Amino acid sequence: ETGVTQTPRHLVMGMTNKKSLKCEQHLGHNAMYWYKQSAKKPLELMFVYNFKEQTENNSVPSRFSPECPNSSHLFLHLHTLQPEDSALYLCASSQPTDTDTQYFGPGTRLTVL
Amino acid sequence: DQQVKQNSPSLSVQEGRISILNCDYTNSMFDYFLWYKKYPAEGPTFLISISSIKDKNEDGRFTVFLNKSAKHLSLHIVPSQPGDSAVYFCAASGTSGNTGKLIFGQGTTLQVKP
Repeated sequence: ETGVTQTPRHLVMGMTNKKSLKCEQHLGHNAMYWYKQSAKKPLELMFVYNFKEQTENNSVPSRFSPECPNSSHLFLHLHTLQPEDSALYLCASSQPTDTDTQYFGPGTRLTVL
Repeated sequence: DQQVKQNSPSLSVQEGRISILNCDYTNSMFDYFLWYKKYPAEGPTFLISISSIKDKNEDGRFTVFLNKSAKHLSLHIVPSQPGDSAVYFCAASGTSGNTGKLIFGQGTTLQVKP
């Protein structure tokens, strides 16, 4: 695997389910990001991790819970989501010295019923 | 309030002609600007960037122009090729340090017709 991978690519879940999104980067980066892209809206930064430490939480509801066990892996744990949380969730990584040049995964298309 | 705006949701040009994608921003503290390109079923990929100390940056067929007084930047693609058909996102970065906080526009879908 190369670059940034995300699994699953598609996910359908009910509002009472608990699921997790996984991101893995094979670029040797130490900064990782979660973004949300809703229909017709810009990419919206959710969380930033630097060297496994969360450095940014962009006022994200607690039903989204990120986890970064190491610099290569990032998870987004989902529970009791709402239909309006349906969106494309993108993971990205970068070098901490060049955080503007981010490398994105293909995203997980999430549908909440 | 949206700080980075791409007011044209779509653009269609003929192969070989120039494509001009526009982006406006409201926050004068932004000091670095980027363009990302996204194909369907793929994540955005970095295309080109420009620092606020410059007014032009060129990379092959791609040139980004920055007009700070107008808070406007544009991406020129010359000549346009069918493979350039994608969604283009403008993004801005502020002076709050190396935080990775990119503010994106809504994107413009470019179609280059053969």
